[in-house]
Amino acid sequence: QVQLEESGPGMVKPSETLTLTCTVSGASVSNSYYWGWFRQTPGKALEWLGSVYYTETTYYNPSLQGRVSILLDTSKNQFSLRLSSVAAADTAVYYCASHLVLTGIDLWGQGTLVTVSS
Amino acid sequence: EIVMTQSPATLSVSPGERVTLFCRASQNINTNLAWYQQKPGQAPRLLIYGASTRATDIPVRFSGSGSGTEFTLTIDSLQSEDIAVYFCHQFNNWPPEYTFGQGTKLDIK
Repeated sequence: QVQLEESGPGMVKPSETLTLTCTVSGASVSNSYYWGWFRQTPGKALEWLGSVYYTETTYYNPSLQGRVSILLDTSKNQFSLRLSSVAAADTAVYYCASHLVLTGIDLWGQGTLVTVSS
Repeated sequence: EIVMTQSPATLSVSPGERVTLFCRASQNINTNLAWYQQKPGQAPRLLIYGASTRATDIPVRFSGSGSGTEFTLTIDSLQSEDIAVYFCHQFNNWPPEYTFGQGTKLDIK
């Protein structure tokens, strides 16, 4: 059974960089899947942040204006999210997930709340 | 950017009812649409992809239809465990467009 689990700090200060890690169990990040990050603010819709393909090709949401980067670590079977210059508007529940191009997002982590506050 | 609009925002329902949720895309997305169910404190769960294909282990009472810009999710004979928020999601122009609707919340009448 494939499982994804997010880890990282629950609080980040404004202007700092948010870093989260997703650990994959039951499958290899070298499988031909996309490994992505999403977030959800209270009462608001889901937002895609970016994804990395098993080839390490990355795709990012243009609305984040270059603040986001995603890395694949095949040695640890993990992938990570870095979001720079955070502000209060980046407070959200962050999810890691796996997906293909045309079949939706079929596996999600449980989510982790990150609060941006001084 | 493709905007996804769901209606209604909230729907009061009773067990046993047939429930229909709507999702409209601001431009043609063919059948590149998925539906998700999200319960409080949980991650979304994929129900439907390709507008009408049920994901693995999804009960047959969930069905999706539509193409182009108009889509529906129907729940036949609603069960109490179906009380949740439902999101639609388009991936017609991915990458980089991967956008979600605002959700429809079902609550008990």
